[in-house]
Amino acid sequence: ETGVTQSPTHLIKTRGQQVTLRCSSQSGHNTVSWYQQALGQGPQFIFQYYREEENGRGNFPPRFSGLQFPNYSSELNVNALELDDSALYLCASSLYGNSPLHFGNGTRLTVT
Amino acid sequence: GQNIDQPTEMTATEGAIVQINCTYQTSGFNGLFWYQQHAGEAPTFLSYNVLDGLEEKGRFSSFLSRSKGYSYLLLKELQMKDSASYLCAVRLTLSGGYNKLIFGAGTRLAVHP
Repeated sequence: ETGVTQSPTHLIKTRGQQVTLRCSSQSGHNTVSWYQQALGQGPQFIFQYYREEENGRGNFPPRFSGLQFPNYSSELNVNALELDDSALYLCASSLYGNSPLHFGNGTRLTVT
Repeated sequence: GQNIDQPTEMTATEGAIVQINCTYQTSGFNGLFWYQQHAGEAPTFLSYNVLDGLEEKGRFSSFLSRSKGYSYLLLKELQMKDSASYLCAVRLTLSGGYNKLIFGAGTRLAVHP
């Protein structure tokens, strides 16, 4: 069974740039969620995708957007990067419903 | 709003028992999860409670009281590798039927010899 994989592991961007983070869900999982984790904090829910559609969103501005593909993999896109976007971005997959989330190792984004 | 509180830091001795508490005030409760997170790594799922009571899984147990908005994670026979952050998270089921987890800030546990 393949776990959740994310790429890249680390990324450095400049304020104002755009970034795309990628996630491959665990085998058999059809739902992908993205979380942002600032240093010393718990993860914060960004949004969730199911059947290639966003079906839930946290308190993040529209410049955070995403996609889910037919193979259930997903992308997180962030436009007009700000310094406060520096964080660990976690992708988690699950079966739709009440199954636990399984997290990838995350992408560490640094905005300078 | 949604609020989850847990102690920021705890220390314990190898071989001992430690209890990490979590209190929550949320709406739409649909289960409480505990995750372990080593520095620089992904959170890994430890346990899940949806009904009141104790769930035991090897050296780890988790307890839930929904009426009190309270949970704890019990770690027995502590090992050095248990040094990590422990995240308490409440699952909410919102309109449209989707679930999301609300996390506490985590408890950093340091196990020393």
